[in-house]
Amino acid sequence: DTAVSQTPKYLVTQMGNDKSIKCEQNLGHDTMYWYKQDSKKFLKIMFSYNNKELIINETVPNRFSPKSPDKAHLNLHINSLELGDSAVYFCASSHLSGGANTQYFGPGTRLTVL
Amino acid sequence: EDQVTQSPEALRLQEGESSSLNCSYTVSGLRGLFWYRQDPGKGPEFLFTLYSAGEEKEKERLKATLTKKESFLHITAPKPEDSATYLCAVRSNFGNEKLTFGTGTRLTIIP
Repeated sequence: DTAVSQTPKYLVTQMGNDKSIKCEQNLGHDTMYWYKQDSKKFLKIMFSYNNKELIINETVPNRFSPKSPDKAHLNLHINSLELGDSAVYFCASSHLSGGANTQYFGPGTRLTVL
Repeated sequence: EDQVTQSPEALRLQEGESSSLNCSYTVSGLRGLFWYRQDPGKGPEFLFTLYSAGEEKEKERLKATLTKKESFLHITAPKPEDSATYLCAVRSNFGNEKLTFGTGTRLTIIP
């Protein structure tokens, strides 16, 4: 009965490789997000999709490309990985409405680039 | 640009010793202020949403309050299982749906 799930939980890879992280939510939400948490635990928004449409695209290198095949899934593909990409990546989801739209987070994917 | 500052950065309390965590914010029209709890190796877990100054919400030993410039998370008679990092975030009325987070307060309750 997991609400927001991510795979893999850990990802260790070499510089220059391409990797993907997958996210799925079963909350019936229509909006999904990717956040990056750095070594100082600071959480920062990267992207958001609403009904498969990109609505947030913060200042992120274009090596990062989100893809949303449907409302329940949002994947993150990273090309040409760099040392600075090492972080924990969190997926979140919410229901977009006129209210505060509380976001619910997944367990995170710890990416280590060697 | 929205900003959130949390203090203190870390707090160690004896079990049963009550205290408060602070979240100061600057936002162009507050649509919501959020408190999350994050345990090591896990994702943030939603605690509260506050919408307007004067609002209060409670859950077990936690109570969140809101003014026009800051929010407090009061912890009454904490237990070791309350040890975690507590994150504060805001969403603005203007712009997109993103949450702007503070850097958190790492709370340790000593038995």
